[in-house]
Amino acid sequence: GQQVMQIPQYQHVQEGEDFTTYCNSSTTLSNIQWYKQRPGGHPVFLIQLVKSGEVKKQKRLTFQFGEAKKNSSLHITATQTTDVGTYFCAGRASGGSYIPTFGRGTSLIVHP
Amino acid sequence: DGGITQSPKYLFRKEGQNVTLSCEQNLNHDAMYWYRQDPGQGLRLIYYSQIVNDFQKGDIAEGYSVSREKKESFPLTVTSAQKNPTAFYLCASSKAGDYNQPQHFGDGTRLSIL
Repeated sequence: GQQVMQIPQYQHVQEGEDFTTYCNSSTTLSNIQWYKQRPGGHPVFLIQLVKSGEVKKQKRLTFQFGEAKKNSSLHITATQTTDVGTYFCAGRASGGSYIPTFGRGTSLIVHP
Repeated sequence: DGGITQSPKYLFRKEGQNVTLSCEQNLNHDAMYWYRQDPGQGLRLIYYSQIVNDFQKGDIAEGYSVSREKKESFPLTVTSAQKNPTAFYLCASSKAGDYNQPQHFGDGTRLSIL
């Protein structure tokens, strides 16, 4: 079945440093979504990418979808303590179920 | 405000006991989902339902059961057959049949063994 690998599992950064998490799928994706889960909270939808090579920005967050639609990344510039949490990607396979497969997530720890 | 309500927030189960986790949504979504979250494991799909009176097993359905008698409600029962039930359980919903809709999550239920 479809697998979505996400790395790294954890990332410690000093406040102000950049952060990137990567998502790779074993199959071509129709779209990929990104969610953020704050400690003790629930996942909250951030954004969706659909087109090959698509890049979207939300303030300090930059999301990319690979040309082959099998990988994606989330980059945060100049991290802040409010960025702390676990970031999940969720991909839907092309021609497959509308049910997304979640990556294991990357937990971001920001040290002040 | 529309949203998803899960209850209780914390639940304790005794050995051999079945427990039921509640999930209610007022978003008028057709599709509902149950996930289990363990540290470092991400979100694993237990069951999902696209329409009332119909549901399908996810990746880890053994030891769990669900019902979908109403569009708004999708309760999950953790049976005594589930030998390692301690986890964080998340319910979600989305518009069905649309590949580009996000999932909306409830606040979750933390289940522990006594």
